[in-house]
Order: sequence, then structure tokens, then C-alpha cells
Amino acid sequence: GNSVTQMEGPVTLSEEAFLTINCTYTATGYPSLFWYVQYPGEGLQLLLKATKADDKGSNKGFEATYRKETTSFHLEKGSVQVSDSAVYFCALSEGPGGKSTFGDGTTLTVKP
Amino acid sequence: NAGVTQTPKFQVLKTGQSMTLQCAQDMNHEYMSWYRQDPGMGLRLIHYSVGAGITDQGEVPNGYNVSRSTTEDFPLRLLSAAPSQTSVYFCASRKGGGETQYFGPGTRLLVL
Repeated sequence: GNSVTQMEGPVTLSEEAFLTINCTYTATGYPSLFWYVQYPGEGLQLLLKATKADDKGSNKGFEATYRKETTSFHLEKGSVQVSDSAVYFCALSEGPGGKSTFGDGTTLTVKP
Repeated sequence: NAGVTQTPKFQVLKTGQSMTLQCAQDMNHEYMSWYRQDPGMGLRLIHYSVGAGITDQGEVPNGYNVSRSTTEDFPLRLLSAAPSQTSVYFCASRKGGGETQYFGPGTRLLVL
């Protein structure tokens, strides 16, 4: 079956530091890949996505590139802010109408 | 649009009690799902529905029932609560041909 593996957390960074959260996946076919973010006390919301190999998703300064050769979708941000503190989930979808598979989530804390 | 709404936000139950977690969406999405979120285990799919009158089991369905009588509503029933069901429950919806999921704010359940 499909699976998503994220780097273990928690991750603690100082403001303006560079962020990388690793995500690798196992899937049959050609899934779409997602990063969702969960702020304290809230539900998950879509951060960015990519639907095919070499696509780059971006939003709010975050980026991730769909790498089929390494089956990866690492999340990066050049300069994090305190407001980026949240739990980040990597996920894949089997395609339109298909099921979603989520990683375990990585907790990011950014200190001023 | 209110998006996906869930009630209650927080509930305490005693072992053996039953209750229904409510979920509603106003986006006319065909697909709806219930997940539970536990520390270190990410999101696990409990039940899902691809349309009114159609439901199916996810990864961890035991102890839970669902029904989908309308497009808008997808309640989750706990028949006889157990401490192992202490968790945060999220409802999500998406378009039939879409991949991005829209999550509710969650229900935090404590079973004593």
C-alpha cells in the first residue's frame, strides 16, 4: 500500500533560520503530493501541492518540489517566522477521487 | 461559506457511553471522511463516504458507525466508548474529482 514518511520532530528553530522538513513516499502509480499545516487548536489546511513530477508547489514562502527519482517532496522555507510554528503534514493522493495517505506530522517551533 | 463544521469541540465520556460527533459541509462536496489524530500516529482514516447513501470502512473502523443520508452531513457514532477512543477527531470533505481535502476544526474526545 501507499505510505508517507516524514522526518521525526519536533523541530525547533530561531526566527529567520532556514527550514527543511523531509518527506518521502511509497506509492503505485503517479500520486499527487501535498503539504498541510495545522495551527494550534485548528484543523489541517492545505499549504501547497504538486500534481506531477518536477512540479514545484509554493505558498507563503514555503516550497516543495515533486522528485519522482527520489520519491521525495521536501518542504523548505528560507526564513521562518514565529507565526510558522505549527504541525506540518506531508500527504499523497492516489488521484482524483482516490484515497489520501498522511505522514505522522512534524511539529515546528520557531523561537524569537 | 462556513466550510466544514464539527460539533462538539470537546466532549468527556464515561466508558460504555454512546455519542454522535456531528460533521457538516456547505461546499456540496461528494466525498467526506473521518480521521482520528493520535500523538505520533498522524491521521488515521476511520470511515469515508463517496456520496449520499454510500459509506465504507477506512483503516481503523472498529467501534465506530457512520451514515450519509444527505450530501451535507456525515455523523460519526461511537456505540460504546472505550478509553482507547480518546483522541482528536477530524472530519474532512472534498470534491468528487478533486484531491485537496478541507478539514473541520476537530472534536477533542476524552473517554474516562
